[in-house]
Amino acid sequence: EAQVTQNPRYLITVTGKKLTVTCSQNMNHEYMSWYRQDPGLGLRQIYYSMNVEVTDKGDVPEGYKVSRKEKRNFPLILESPSPNQTSLYFCASSLSRLKASKQFFGPGTRLTVL
Amino acid sequence: AQTVTQSQPEMSVQEAETVTLSCTYDTSESDYYLFWYKQPPSRQMILVIRQEAYKQQNATENRFSVNFQKAAKSFSLKISDSQLGDAAMYFCAYRPNTGNQFYFGTGTSLTVIP
Repeated sequence: EAQVTQNPRYLITVTGKKLTVTCSQNMNHEYMSWYRQDPGLGLRQIYYSMNVEVTDKGDVPEGYKVSRKEKRNFPLILESPSPNQTSLYFCASSLSRLKASKQFFGPGTRLTVL
Repeated sequence: AQTVTQSQPEMSVQEAETVTLSCTYDTSESDYYLFWYKQPPSRQMILVIRQEAYKQQNATENRFSVNFQKAAKSFSLKISDSQLGDAAMYFCAYRPNTGNQFYFGTGTSLTVIP
């Protein structure tokens, strides 16, 4: 089944404790992206990647890191989480060469930083 | 700067009736792509419909259609014969042809009244 998986689905952590949210897709998509969703703000893009070893900042990259060492994986790293990073996070993937291509979204990760 | 505006935080519709959700966007690009995504309570993001700016014909997917007004930079979603399963948050999204970012609106929460 074509899908994007994220882990963990729920995470409660404390300020300053490094964490990684994993994202994996099985569709051989070149394009992968991370979003955060906050009430009243919609979805905002954090980082995106056009292919392996190619990553770019979105609108809200501060406090986040990403890497794309393999085509299928695109982990989101919070080196020193802070309470303002409490949010719902989505990973998504699509075909790069088709700009109108549908994005496949993961199920979301609910992160709480105390 | 590219922005997407959804001016209706909440909307409601009677079952079997028609409702229109509005979306406007700001861009200096001439070629781009527009999307409507649905997010039900399960939080899963589902593509409803998409429109390529160079196509004058409005996109249609079963009960869902758009009114794309390029000059006015407007991209509204019409849902006909509304069903209880249409209750969800709806997000409008924009992707320029020259870039690789996605820009989402703040969402419209749709309630369907039985």
